[in-house]
Amino acid sequence: AQRVTQPEKLLSVFKGAPVELKCNYSYSGSPELFWYVQYSRQRLQLLLRHISRESIKGFTADLNKGETSFHLKKPFAQEEDSAMYYCALWVTNAGKSTFGDGTTLTVKP
Amino acid sequence: ETGVTQSPTHLIKTRGQQVTLRCSSQSGHNTVSWYQQALGQGPQFIFQYYREEENGRGNFPPRFSGLQFPNYSSELNVNALELDDSALYLCASSWGGGSLGEQYFGPGTRLTVT
Repeated sequence: AQRVTQPEKLLSVFKGAPVELKCNYSYSGSPELFWYVQYSRQRLQLLLRHISRESIKGFTADLNKGETSFHLKKPFAQEEDSAMYYCALWVTNAGKSTFGDGTTLTVKP
Repeated sequence: ETGVTQSPTHLIKTRGQQVTLRCSSQSGHNTVSWYQQALGQGPQFIFQYYREEENGRGNFPPRFSGLQFPNYSSELNVNALELDDSALYLCASSWGGGSLGEQYFGPGTRLTVT
């Protein structure tokens, strides 16, 4: 069965520092990986997906199939990045989705 | 263009009862996914409906069932409620089944089972 692990429940960095939110997954095939974000008092929303290979709000994520990881990175964190971040996986041939339990990022001034 | 809406906002039920939650998808979307989110955990995938057919299902028992209507709105039905069913239920709509796609989430329905 597929699984998504976000090892850090809480992550705190200072403004301007680099930030990396870790995501590890277990699945032997080729899944689709996503990062979702939930800002305070807002709905869950898609941040980025690995197949798009794009940078959103300065965040990037690279799929490393060898390490089965999809870590989210930003070189210079901003206070407005403070939010809950979820990593998610979709397995097409099983029609199933799995979310991690999330990491709460706090960016201090 | 309207966003994803869910009703009701909050609901309190007794163990053993049945409940129906509703979701209106975003205009132009034909896929709805349902999630259960317990406190302190990530959303757990219940199932996905694409063009009125169940397109994928998570590890939930058959007492969790759903429907999608021709206008692509959707219902989640839960029979024989248990205390552990207390959670936030989220729906999300997207275009094109078979993936999470670019999902737009609703605000959720908070279900409490006593």
